[in-house]
Amino acid sequence: DAGVTQSPTHLIKTRGQQVTLRCSPISGHKSVSWYQQVLGQGPQFIFQYYEKEERGRGNFPDRFSARQFPNYSSELNVNALLLGDSALYLCASSLGSGLPDHEQYFGPGTRLTVT
Amino acid sequence: AQKITQTQPGMFVQEKEAVTLDCTYDTSDPSYGLFWYKQPSSGEMIFLIYQGSYDQQNATEGRYSLNFQKARKSANLVISASQLGDSAMYFCAMMETSYDKVIFGPGTSLSVIP
Repeated sequence: DAGVTQSPTHLIKTRGQQVTLRCSPISGHKSVSWYQQVLGQGPQFIFQYYEKEERGRGNFPDRFSARQFPNYSSELNVNALLLGDSALYLCASSLGSGLPDHEQYFGPGTRLTVT
Repeated sequence: AQKITQTQPGMFVQEKEAVTLDCTYDTSDPSYGLFWYKQPSSGEMIFLIYQGSYDQQNATEGRYSLNFQKARKSANLVISASQLGDSAMYFCAMMETSYDKVIFGPGTSLSVIP
């Protein structure tokens, strides 16, 4: 079975631009979560979506938004990019949204560089 | 307040030896889950092991075991018979049932020495 896939792998953007990152979960998984990992730190939770509804949101500004599609794939959008948005963006999928179905499997990530 | 603490920024272990990576957590939720992930230099986060707060026995997965001490709010990862491929960052994480999000600790860098 295919794992979690993310696209693109790498991305370079300029300050003020907008970016869209994509994620496809493992087949059968209905929940997708997004994380930002700055170099040298642990991942920081951004969003969780389950059955196309937002189930959780981390402490990120409104410039960050996401959605989940009927096929459970997801997009993360970031507007008005700042230098500090440079990070590895990780997508994780799980069967459900609550324990114990919340064992998450991560994709390879999208490396975003903002110049 | 930091909810996940990993006090060992870096650890070294001899190949074939066992190593314990420390993790303490803070929560008032009686129902929660604890996870350990491995992140090699390639960047991908690999799920290792899960422990539920109501699980009676410590979780084990192959060479990985979780030393769960609920009263001390501790969930240490034990890796037995270390291999060179175990060199990576290791993250402890927690999910509380009250909140639909997973919180990660700062990580521990493990280096396995031949």
